[in-house]
Amino acid sequence: AQKVTQAQTEISVVEKEDVTLDCVYETRDTTYYLFWYKQPPSGELVFLIRRNSFDEQNEISGRYSWNFQKSTSSFNFTITASQVVDSAVYFCALSEGSSNTGKLIFGQGTTLQVKP
Amino acid sequence: DTGVSQDPRHKITKRGQNVTFRCDPISEHNRLYWYRQTLGQGPEFLTYFQNEAQLEKSRLLSDRFSAERPKGSFSTLEIQRTEQGDSAMYLCASSRTGVVEKLFFGSGTQLSVL
Repeated sequence: AQKVTQAQTEISVVEKEDVTLDCVYETRDTTYYLFWYKQPPSGELVFLIRRNSFDEQNEISGRYSWNFQKSTSSFNFTITASQVVDSAVYFCALSEGSSNTGKLIFGQGTTLQVKP
Repeated sequence: DTGVSQDPRHKITKRGQNVTFRCDPISEHNRLYWYRQTLGQGPEFLTYFQNEAQLEKSRLLSDRFSAERPKGSFSTLEIQRTEQGDSAMYLCASSRTGVVEKLFFGSGTQLSVL
């Protein structure tokens, strides 16, 4: 069965600190996709990134970077020089490659609080 | 470019009552999803539509739940004979058909069953 685990329930940092959010997944599929979504206090989840299981290159987008390691089944998310606006709940999610739909399995989420 | 809208934002009801939520997806999106999120948890998939056809339902969706998407546009999710365990945030998302789509979520309907 597929499963996503985000072991960190809450993280609190001071502005400008770097912070890494951990994500570990389980799947028997060889083809799958991994996602990160951000949920600000307003409630709507906002898409951040999608990676497929065949692409292990790390990705950087501004202050955000993602580290995908199949050997450890991890897809970690780092925010560099955090800002107060980064405060939100962050979810890691998994999609079976064979399903070809938006049916996602989400982790429990990590609440990030960035203090000024 | 309007996003996914959900109505109402909040609903308080008494146990045993029926409730209905509405979701208006992004207009050119042919797929529409319903998820449920309880406090401190990630969203859980409930069901999805491609155009007007309901293609998959989760085992989480008991017989008291029914979803429709007439004409492949907006969707409604009805819960009959609500129970306290139904209290949750109900999220709607839409997407274009593709290879593992990027979902666009609404702000959700927060249901409280007293």
